[in-house]
Amino acid sequence: DAKTTQPPSMDCAEGRAANLPCNHSTISGNEYVYWYRQIHSQGPQYIIHGLKNNETNEMASLIITEDRKSSTLILPHATLRDTAVYYCIAQWEGNFNKFYFGSGTKLNVKP
Amino acid sequence: SAVISQKPSRDICQRGTSLTIQCQVDSQVTMMFWYRQQPGQSLTLIATANQGSEATYESGFVIDKFPISRPNLTFSTLTVSNMSPEDSSIYLCSVALRVGNEQFFGPGTRLTVL
Repeated sequence: DAKTTQPPSMDCAEGRAANLPCNHSTISGNEYVYWYRQIHSQGPQYIIHGLKNNETNEMASLIITEDRKSSTLILPHATLRDTAVYYCIAQWEGNFNKFYFGSGTKLNVKP
Repeated sequence: SAVISQKPSRDICQRGTSLTIQCQVDSQVTMMFWYRQQPGQSLTLIATANQGSEATYESGFVIDKFPISRPNLTFSTLTVSNMSPEDSSIYLCSVALRVGNEQFFGPGTRLTVL
């Protein structure tokens, strides 16, 4: 599985969009990009995933660059409850769903 | 999605003892996993719990220390054996409904070893 690199922390003002970057320059063509978040030592929560195309759901949008070497998770209107550690994971469907977590980005949403 | 419960939610144990953590899912799932999260750290995959066969362990984890059972498609246990303070962590169970699907995580079991 490709290694992912994320900034250790980011700040965002409440109500503004939070844009969380992830670098996965060694990603292979059949590896998906998954995003999870973990709020204060709770179990991680699934947010979104994608392969090539941009994806959007009720929680967030995922923008994957054309060369697939990086992606950005967008929380369109961040709230204080979005304060969490966000993990970007590159995962190959063929390895039977095993996830290898990196260190993640601590997003601090401030009033 | 899947609803996952873990028991106990937390425990404080003496070194040298063992603790068995249970993971129960509200529906049949294909894949079940166990993770460890040491204080202030990210999650580390311990093993894949295979139904009806021995678990598949990741590098650095062995069956003698972390025996795992999975008797059916909705239940699994992880035992932390001969505990030491270094085993103090949050232990999390996760499931995937099918190969290639996202994982859903349980609330975790917070273990403190004295």
